[in-house]
Formats: sequence, structure tokens, C-alpha cells
Amino acid sequence: QVQLVQSGAEVKEPGASVKVSCKASGYTFTGYYIHWVRQAPGQGLEWMGWINPNSGGTNYAQKFQGRVTMTRDTSISTAYMELTMLKSDDTAVYFCARSGYCDTTNCYEAFDPWGQGTLVTVSS
Amino acid sequence: DIVMTQSPDSLAVSLGERATINCKSSQSILYSSKNKNHLAWYQQKPGQPPKLLIYWASTRESGVPDRFSGSGSGTDFTLTISSLQAGDVAVYYCQQYYSTPYTFGQGTKLEIK
Repeated sequence: QVQLVQSGAEVKEPGASVKVSCKASGYTFTGYYIHWVRQAPGQGLEWMGWINPNSGGTNYAQKFQGRVTMTRDTSISTAYMELTMLKSDDTAVYFCARSGYCDTTNCYEAFDPWGQGTLVTVSS
Repeated sequence: DIVMTQSPDSLAVSLGERATINCKSSQSILYSSKNKNHLAWYQQKPGQPPKLLIYWASTRESGVPDRFSGSGSGTDFTLTISSLQAGDVAVYYCQQYYSTPYTFGQGTKLEIK
């Protein structure tokens, strides 16, 4: 079955960086886009950006430009999201999710499935 | 950015009764050339990731019970649960995937009355 499995929880100090992985299985990794969405404790969902695993092309939300980098390793069907210069309000659960084709503005499929989430805690 | 506003923020419905959640976008999310609304509904239970229920505003995802239905077009959308079951207790989110950044509503918490 189609599945996205994420790496485990992380605790980081302010100013540090975190890299979260998302391993895909059950489908052709390069045939679908991977999105990253985060959820602060008790809060709603915030889209961070997507990566096209086939080309490596990315599209980041303006809010995260300059702090986020999304990459992939097609040999192991894994996508990565690195967030730098962490602040306390980056404390959140980070999800990866799959969709079909997206261009620079539209996506042509909703997000399904989602990974189980990775809790990133930023604290001194 | 397109702002998605859900109403109500919380809702308590008796078992077997109808639940209705509304979602309004700050601009149209209808892709007119394909006549498709880029609107999805997700269900999130505590400690779990969101689960896709409805896409293209009204198409039910495979495996989703037919008591869940979506309607609307342009800027106004509705998720209806026709006969509430205990397992439907969750937070429900709408999302537009029409224009980046893809934004979500603030969520509606559905409980049993």
C-alpha cells in the first residue's frame, strides 16, 4: 500500500537546523510530488512547500524562503525537509504528504496520503 | 494569499443527526477551463495525520463512507455528514490547492452532543 514513513522526533536549540526525512513506498516515487505541512501544538495546518522528486524542482511558501530546503534521494525513495535558524515558534509536528502534478501555482490533486508526522521541539 | 474561513469553529451533534461545516475562500478557487474547484476536506483525529475525505469539492475519496459529502463552487463550500457516528469525532479542515501557498481553514471541531 502507498505509505510515507517519517523520521523520529527531534529536539533542537534555537538557531540550530533540523532535517526531517520522509520515505515513500508502494508507488513510483518520482511520479508524485511531496509536500511539507506543519502543525504547531493545538493549531491548524500550514503548507511549507513542495518538491518534485523527478526533477528536484521546488516551490516554497514565501514565509519559509531562505530558511527551508527540500531535497530528495531517488535511490532510496526519500524526501527531506531541512529548516534552519530554528526559533521557538518552529515547534510543531511536520508532515509530508503526496500529491499529483503541480505547476508553479496550481496543484491538480489533493494531498493523500500523509506521513505520520515528526515532532520538532525547539527549546533551550 | 487565499484565506479559508470555516464555520463554525466547533459543533456538537447528536448521534445519527446531520452535521454541516462551511468553508469560504477569499477568492474563487474554480479552475474555469476544467470546471473544477480546487478544494479538499480532511479529517484529523488526535495524534493522527489528516486524512483526505473529499477532493474537487465534491468527489469522495475511495473508502470514505457515503455519509460524507461535499458541495459548493467558487467561494462557498460545505461538508455534510448525513448521520453522525461516534467515530466521526475529529477536527475537519478545508484546503485550497488552487494557488500557492496552499492554505487551510482554521478547523472545525466536531463532537457528540
